[in-house]
Amino acid sequence: KAGVTQTPRYLIKTRGQQVTLSCSPISGHRSVSWYQQTPGQGLQFLFEYFSETQRNKGNFPGRFSGRQFSNSRSEMNVSTLELGDSALYLCASSSGQSGYTFGSGTRLTVV
Amino acid sequence: QQQVKQSPQSLIVQKGGISIINCAYENTAFDYFPWYQQFPGKGPALLIAIRPDVSEKKEGRFTISFNKSAKQFSLHIMDSQPGDSATYFCAASMDSWGKLQFGAGTQVVVTP
Repeated sequence: KAGVTQTPRYLIKTRGQQVTLSCSPISGHRSVSWYQQTPGQGLQFLFEYFSETQRNKGNFPGRFSGRQFSNSRSEMNVSTLELGDSALYLCASSSGQSGYTFGSGTRLTVV
Repeated sequence: QQQVKQSPQSLIVQKGGISIINCAYENTAFDYFPWYQQFPGKGPALLIAIRPDVSEKKEGRFTISFNKSAKQFSLHIMDSQPGDSATYFCAASMDSWGKLQFGAGTQVVVTP
């Protein structure tokens, strides 16, 4: 069974640009969550989607947004990038039975 | 405001020893407590999880102990191996597919 796939693995963007990250969950998993991981703040929850609906949102500015498609694939978008947005962005999926499985993440560097 | 506090920040243990990581939480609505293991360059991998109606759960060399009255839970890694060298995160959520509140992480180094 394929795991959670995140693309791209690495990304370098310039301040002020926007970026879109993609996540393909494990087949059959309808819940997808996104987390930001930084050395200073650790793992912080961004948002969670279930059946194309955002069920939960973390304490991030409106520049961070996401969506989920009918096939459960998800994207997150960050607009007007800031240096502090440099982080590892992790996607996780769940069927509700066995907890969340994480992908390997997208390493975003903002210069 | 950190809802899950994890200690120690780092840990060095000899091969064959026991690694113990502790976590404490405040929110009594938390109903699901997983532990994740993360290697450099990889996402966190679910190791073992427990619900508050159970005081202990063991899977192989990994054991979670849960103290509901003290609002604390811990991970014990028995017979630690160099391959266990990783960062370990405790977490808590309202259910098995809700928002996870993570601890700050513990870097474990197992020396040969």
